[in-house]
This record gives sequence, C-alpha cells and structure tokens, in this order.
Amino acid sequence: GAVVSQHPSRVICKSGTSVKIECRSLDFQATTMFWYRQFPKQSLMLMATSNEGSKATYEQGVEKDKFLINHASLTLSTLTVTSAHPEDSSFYICSASSAGGDTYEQYFGPGTRLTVT
Amino acid sequence: AQSVTQLGSHVSVSEGALVLLRCNYSSSVPPYLFWYVQYPNQGLQLLLKYTSAATLVKGINGFEAEFKKSETSFHLTKPSAHMSDAAEYFCAVTRGGYNKLIFGAGTRLAVHP
Repeated sequence: GAVVSQHPSRVICKSGTSVKIECRSLDFQATTMFWYRQFPKQSLMLMATSNEGSKATYEQGVEKDKFLINHASLTLSTLTVTSAHPEDSSFYICSASSAGGDTYEQYFGPGTRLTVT
Repeated sequence: AQSVTQLGSHVSVSEGALVLLRCNYSSSVPPYLFWYVQYPNQGLQLLLKYTSAATLVKGINGFEAEFKKSETSFHLTKPSAHMSDAAEYFCAVTRGGYNKLIFGAGTRLAVHP
C-alpha cells in the first residue's frame, strides 16, 4: 500500500517552454502533497506544500509564478515549470501524506528527471 | 526550529562489515525521526521511523536505529553490509502533528568486496 507515482519519469524540454509533472497517490487519498527538488549528490529541498483544494504554500526563495502547483483532487497534484531554463534542470520528487493515517509519514514518488536544453 | 546533521557525506565499508551511519538532530520538541534510502535515479524509500515508542527501532533490510535523547542521536546500523546496500541514506526529522520533513545532507554508502 501507499504507492505514489510520478509521470513522466524523464522529460527533456527546450528553454522557454513549460513542462507539467504529475504526482498521483494510487491507493490512498493524499490530503497533503509535497514537492521537492534535488540537485546532483545533494539532499532534498522542499519547494512547496499543497493541500487538496487550497493554494500551495511555497518555501522561501521558491518562485511561485515559475513553479505552479495544483492539488485539485485527493489523488493528484501537478507541478508545472513555466518558461523553463537550463538552471531548472533537476530531479523533482513528490511525496504524499494522508490525514487518515500517520500524518507525519510521507510516501515518495520515484522522481522526475527534468532536462532543459 | 528543527535540524538534522549527518556526519560523514561518504562512508565506505567492506561487504560483511558493520554499517554505521550517523545522524544527530536538534529539536525543541519531542522529535519524530526517519531514515530513508535512495537508489540512483529513484525516489526515497522509508527504512525505519521513531515516533516516541520504543527507542530501538528495527526497519527493513536488516537496518535498525536507536534513539538516544541524551546524545540527540539517531544513528543507523546494520550488522553485516551487503553489496545491495550501496545507496544514499537520508536522516529526517519532524514533530508530532506536523508533517513537514527536515532532511539531512545525506550519506553515500559504498560497499566493496
């Protein structure tokens, strides 16, 4: 149980275009989803926290107009990188937690490798 | 505020040797502590967690960790390393009623024959 998927697993896009990454909880309802960014050989950096049906809360220094997060249902959250640039290339990981269980436990997706050329 | 420090960004052990990955935390409230493992180009997998119950926590793949409040530590151990244990390990902290995780910088474990 508690499986989280991400799509796509890898994406290459041209500079200036936008790309959408999906995060789905497959077998539970995720009241909260998190988006992380991970640079090579570094730790995870929390970008934002989203609760179903409300606006995402962004961490300090994360551009909310560049990284658009939508959490429209209890099983789906999306991260859209708008007007992508090469410096946005990174590994993006989502996680999800459920209010019905251990609210402090997050279940992680497999990640999405974004390369901007 | 909460924080996590992982001592040693790289640890190398021989196959069959003891694995010890160090994690120290800082928290003004009783912490919940986690160890995650990450294989290349993959997400994070939970190894074990401490949530104020037993201080010695057993996880998957033979790993265990002991919560020591006096030392503010939550070190991860495994008696005998396998080649398949080679990966990146992250320690993380949060607190009750709050689900935002604070991650350490990670420790890369290498296992050699």
